[in-house]
Amino acid sequence: EADIYQTPRYLVIGTGKKITLECSQTMGHDKMYWYQQDPGMELHLIHYSYGVNSTEKGDLSSESTVSRIRTEHFPLTLESARPSHTSQYLCASSDSYGYTFGSGTRLTVV
Amino acid sequence: AQSVSQHNHHVILSEAASLELGCNYSYGGTVNLFWYVQYPGQHLQLLLKYFSGDPLVKGIKGFEAEFIKSKFSFNLRKPSVQWSDTAEYFCDVNAPYNQGGKLIFGQGTELSVKP
Repeated sequence: EADIYQTPRYLVIGTGKKITLECSQTMGHDKMYWYQQDPGMELHLIHYSYGVNSTEKGDLSSESTVSRIRTEHFPLTLESARPSHTSQYLCASSDSYGYTFGSGTRLTVV
Repeated sequence: AQSVSQHNHHVILSEAASLELGCNYSYGGTVNLFWYVQYPGQHLQLLLKYFSGDPLVKGIKGFEAEFIKSKFSFNLRKPSVQWSDTAEYFCDVNAPYNQGGKLIFGQGTELSVKP
């Protein structure tokens, strides 16, 4: 049973739309992460958070934004989707004992 | 179904010992292969990757991995580990062309290196 949940699993959306990818975890982890992964390519960190009200940009520049108002919730928002945002977005959380991945959201912008 | 299996959940070694972490996958098509490391308290970092060519790939920090297509394996190796290699290691198998959007990550192997 997954302890970290991402919704939606798949999303096809038109250019210019605002979207929010949801990520929630029930483990009480302080650290949470968003990665972007194109098919066949490696993960790239785009955002991370070490706790409530703490967010940082990752290694890969992204036009998305994140928020961390509650420990368990770490949504990612694209204000105006573009075809270049088409990718897979993976949420993860961690504590000193381990790392847990969500199942990912595959986003297609048409 | 596609899957990635990392044989060892927790490996404990002494410094200077040799390391080999197993990774096997089940997928019949062309794949790209990755190993990531997660040091305590940090995010994932890419250790090495294989797309094509020489099946023996070298990564950062003295790590290497060998792709054996006939065995569907991509084992990670290091001749002599250090205490600083203590981390969790993840194998990732990713099809270049979307295979239903499923992310194929191994469950991770925790490596503890004793000084």
